[in-house]
Amino acid sequence: AAGVIQSPRHLIKEKRETATLKCYPIPRHDTVYWYQQGPGQDPQFLISFYEKMQSDKGSIPDRFSAQQFSDYHSELNMSSLELGDSALYFCASRDLGLSSTDTQYFGPGTRLTVL
Amino acid sequence: EDKVVQSPLSLVVHEGDTVTLNCSYEVTNFRSLLWYKQEKKAPTFLFMLTSSGIEKKSGRLSSILDKKELFSILNITATQTGDSAVYLCAVEAPLANAGGTSYGKLTFGQGTILTVHP
Repeated sequence: AAGVIQSPRHLIKEKRETATLKCYPIPRHDTVYWYQQGPGQDPQFLISFYEKMQSDKGSIPDRFSAQQFSDYHSELNMSSLELGDSALYFCASRDLGLSSTDTQYFGPGTRLTVL
Repeated sequence: EDKVVQSPLSLVVHEGDTVTLNCSYEVTNFRSLLWYKQEKKAPTFLFMLTSSGIEKKSGRLSSILDKKELFSILNITATQTGDSAVYLCAVEAPLANAGGTSYGKLTFGQGTILTVHP
């Protein structure tokens, strides 16, 4: 079965640079979530999109922006990178129209290292 | 602010032991509680619990939810070295199409690091 695809899997950037992380949800999934997991920490919700519109916002810094495109893939843009942005960034997708027994499915994550 | 607390934070056992992981929560809106297993990669879904008192079972793993006392436990019997991982508990907010507004975002606990020695 198709899973959530994230690219790149690893990314190394310098401070003050920009980074773009991509997420391709499971086909026919209409909702995408982004989470940030710092070293030794639990995942923190950043932002979500439903049907290409932002649906919910968590602890996402102003330096970050995200969007969901017409093909439902999503991109997380991160500018003026700081050392503290080094983390594993997960994307998850779901079909909100499915039965209540469905849940989010996580991608493999993008490991961002800021030097 | 929504809060999910797991205990213990770390657990070291030997193969064959039985372990119980705890998760308590205080959230404004609740749809479900989920358990995930994480092994240096994306969290892998284990269980989704929505109703109190109904045990969910998958092999040696089982979980139950108490919505009155706001906690859940995850049991692993006859542990194996392959069970070594971080176990995450998360509470899911209600979905918009069910009258909620948070579109099902997850609030995670800090995880329990389980180490199973041979």
